[in-house]
This record gives sequence, C-alpha cells and structure tokens, in this order.
Amino acid sequence: ETGVTQTPRHLVMGMTNKKSLKCEQHLGHNAMYWYKQSAKKPLELMFVYNFKEQTENNSVPSRFSPECPNSSHLFLHLHTLQPEDSALYLCASSQAKGQGSEKLFFGSGTQLSVL
Amino acid sequence: DAKTTQPPSMDCAEGRAANLPCNHSTISGNEYVYWYRQIHSQGPQYIIHGLKNNETNEMASLIITEDRKSSTLILPHATLRDTAVYYCIVRVPARGTASKLTFGTGTRLQVTL
Repeated sequence: ETGVTQTPRHLVMGMTNKKSLKCEQHLGHNAMYWYKQSAKKPLELMFVYNFKEQTENNSVPSRFSPECPNSSHLFLHLHTLQPEDSALYLCASSQAKGQGSEKLFFGSGTQLSVL
Repeated sequence: DAKTTQPPSMDCAEGRAANLPCNHSTISGNEYVYWYRQIHSQGPQYIIHGLKNNETNEMASLIITEDRKSSTLILPHATLRDTAVYYCIVRVPARGTASKLTFGTGTRLQVTL
C-alpha cells in the first residue's frame, strides 16, 4: 500500500466512449502526476500538477484531459481514444519540498484497453 | 538530467547480493542519483537516493564512486520478490515545486532459485 489509490484497475472501452480514471492520495502531498506506460516501452510523463495547478503537459493529445480539483485527487478524462492509447496509466504524488519532490509514490495503475 | 547507462538485464541467485551498476559520467555537481524499481504491472517504487556519500536504508545500499561518475545499487540478500526493472535516474531535485522525473529502460533483474 503506497498511499496512492487508482480506480479502476482495469478498463476496456470503445473508441467512442468517454471514461475517467481516478487517483486519490492519502499522503498529504502537493504534487500529482500522470504517467503512461505502453507495452515494452519506458514510462512517459504526461501531466504534472503542483498545488492543483498544471505545470507540465508533455505534448499529450487533447483526447486526454486531466483535472485536479484539490491536492488529494487527480482525474484523467478520456474521450475518442485510439487503440494505440491502450497502456498502463499510472498516477503518482510527491511532496514538492526539499529533495522530497523526486521521491514519487505511485499507484498500482489502470490497465486500459481501447477496442 | 545527466544521461545514465545501465545493463539491460542481470541475473542473481536468491540469497546472494545483487549489484546493479549505473554509469553517469556526465553528472554535474548538484545532481543526485535516484533509484526506483518496478515490479511487473505495478507502479515504480522509490528505493534510495544520494549525492556523493554512500547511503543505506532498509531496502538497499547505494555506493557512489568518489568521482561520482558511476554508482552501484546493492540488494544484500536478493529474494524472488526483488525481480523487477531497476531504474537509475540522475537529476537536480526540484526544490519547492513538482518533479519532472523521467525513466529510461532500466535493468531487468531476474532473481532465481
């Protein structure tokens, strides 16, 4: 148990569906992240939120829409995805203070399949 | 971030020490060495980090050479549960703001009976 909870663990969706991934952290952290990991590829940083403000969008297509309503919750809204978007989506959090910013705590991820 | 080089894979017998090397010959003076691992289909897990002194915690030891151009992560008594991909990352820590931590391809450690 890392203190970062992601739901759902698995998701299958069609290309015309709209779905949302949810992440919640119970660590009192103030930075949250979305990463994508496609099969056999390194993790890719997608979005970064610092104190609820988005500070990084790593050229992510607009069919992925993040939302951070408060420091404890992070969502990734999905719409009109493509089969190549099938991947493991990981949420992480950290304390943006001192050296703690690089000590990320990850959730178990949502395994997404787009049909 | 400084470039790092890790072997793509390593094997280790259970109960023996696993020594995972990382080369970071272009490291600058204010860059730290971070190690994470990722067990199959899970999120990465922070292991340890250091600047220039050797570090030890309940999970592992980190040995950084005096010139800081390379380091070794040591798992003193590897178990089957240590089978994972291990990532060595070198960067200046973001102070007072969020990180932009990026992961390479790492070393796939296979612990065997």
